[in-house]
Amino acid sequence: GAGVSQSPRYKVAKRGQDVALRCDPISGHVSLFWYQQALGQGPEFLTYFQNEAQLDKSGLPSDRFFAERPEGSVSTLKIQRTQQEDSAVYLCASSLGAGGHQPQHFGDGTRLSIL
Amino acid sequence: QKEVEQDPGPLSVPEGAIVSLNCTYSNSAFQYFMWYRQYSRKGPELLMYTYSSGNKEDGRFTAQVDKSSKYISLFIRDSQPSDSATYLCAMSPGAQKLVFGQGTRLTINP
Repeated sequence: GAGVSQSPRYKVAKRGQDVALRCDPISGHVSLFWYQQALGQGPEFLTYFQNEAQLDKSGLPSDRFFAERPEGSVSTLKIQRTQQEDSAVYLCASSLGAGGHQPQHFGDGTRLSIL
Repeated sequence: QKEVEQDPGPLSVPEGAIVSLNCTYSNSAFQYFMWYRQYSRKGPELLMYTYSSGNKEDGRFTAQVDKSSKYISLFIRDSQPSDSATYLCAMSPGAQKLVFGQGTRLTINP
């Protein structure tokens, strides 16, 4: 497919478990973003990669959240010791360039529920 | 107070009506303005992308940006039931991250 792909689409975990969410960006897209969307709210920025470099992680809510993109393509968002307030939809977006401002294209997200 | 304010609605209009959606913002550094459409259980889909002030038209959609008032709008003409979705405004100062409004839930009634 030509779009941003995220997996799993749905994830249920017990409080205290670790989870890993995957994002496959559009082929050739240099920039990759993670956002968190709570129910009834707009997405909120978590972190941004340019190739494999994490250039902005100012939106990560705590040190339990960790993201990586080791080869500059696929990215993983990991949440350790999950808590109920982590329940949300996690969206990944990618954009073509590194310089200037480029439109971001979103995947359908991973819906995370913490019991 | 949030950087971007958007009336969450819900907004319900009859088919064929003109729809007006709006956002206000407080950060004068915002330069890039976008409107996304989000269907239930789907990701945001880019509708309109504009830089600085002015109007942009694409089919039935028109985006307006008034930087002096810190106000942006999206107009939908000849609305269709398939336009029923949540509409999100988003903006950026030129750095990469987007700041979103809360989203307005729109229903077009046949």
